[in-house]
Amino acid sequence: GNSVTQMEGPVTLSEEAFLTINCTYTATGYPSLFWYVQYPGEGLQLLLKATKADDKGSNKGFEATYRKETTSFHLEKGSVQVSDSAVYFCALRGGNYQLIWGAGTKLIIKP
Amino acid sequence: NAGVTQTPKFRVLKTGQSMTLLCAQDMNHEYMYWYRQDPGMGLRLIHYSVGEGTTAKGEVPDGYNVSRLKKQNFLLGLESAAPSQTSVYFCASSYVQGAETQYFGPGTRLLVL
Repeated sequence: GNSVTQMEGPVTLSEEAFLTINCTYTATGYPSLFWYVQYPGEGLQLLLKATKADDKGSNKGFEATYRKETTSFHLEKGSVQVSDSAVYFCALRGGNYQLIWGAGTKLIIKP
Repeated sequence: NAGVTQTPKFRVLKTGQSMTLLCAQDMNHEYMYWYRQDPGMGLRLIHYSVGEGTTAKGEVPDGYNVSRLKKQNFLLGLESAAPSQTSVYFCASSYVQGAETQYFGPGTRLLVL
């Protein structure tokens, strides 16, 4: 079946550090891939997406590239800020149109 | 626009008690979803609705019931709460099924003692 695996957190970085949060998936076919972010006390919101192989999603300085050969969709940002502290969820949309979610990775940015 | 709102924000129940969680959206979305979020696990779909008057089971429907009497509202009921239902519950809505963007409410934290 479809599944999403994310790196365990929390990930703690200093401000302006480079960020990578790993996400790999198992799926039949070529699912759409997403990163959602959950800020403290809020619901999840879509951060970026990619719908086919080699697509790069980007938003708010974050990027992720759909890598079919490695079944990965790693989230990156060149210089993180304290305001990026949140929980980040990787997800895929399966054949039945339901979203399959990773466990989430908590990111803590220290000033 | 309020987006997606959830009531209540936090609740403590005793085992065996019942309660209803209310989700409301003002975006005229056809599709609505209830998820639960547990530590170390991703969101799991409990039930969803593809339109007013319709509901369907998700991944973990046991112990829950839902109703969608009005397009803007999606209710999640626990008839007899169990400690295993301690979780954070999120409601979401979207224009179409499996839409790339689901809009989430802020969540309801439920503790069952």
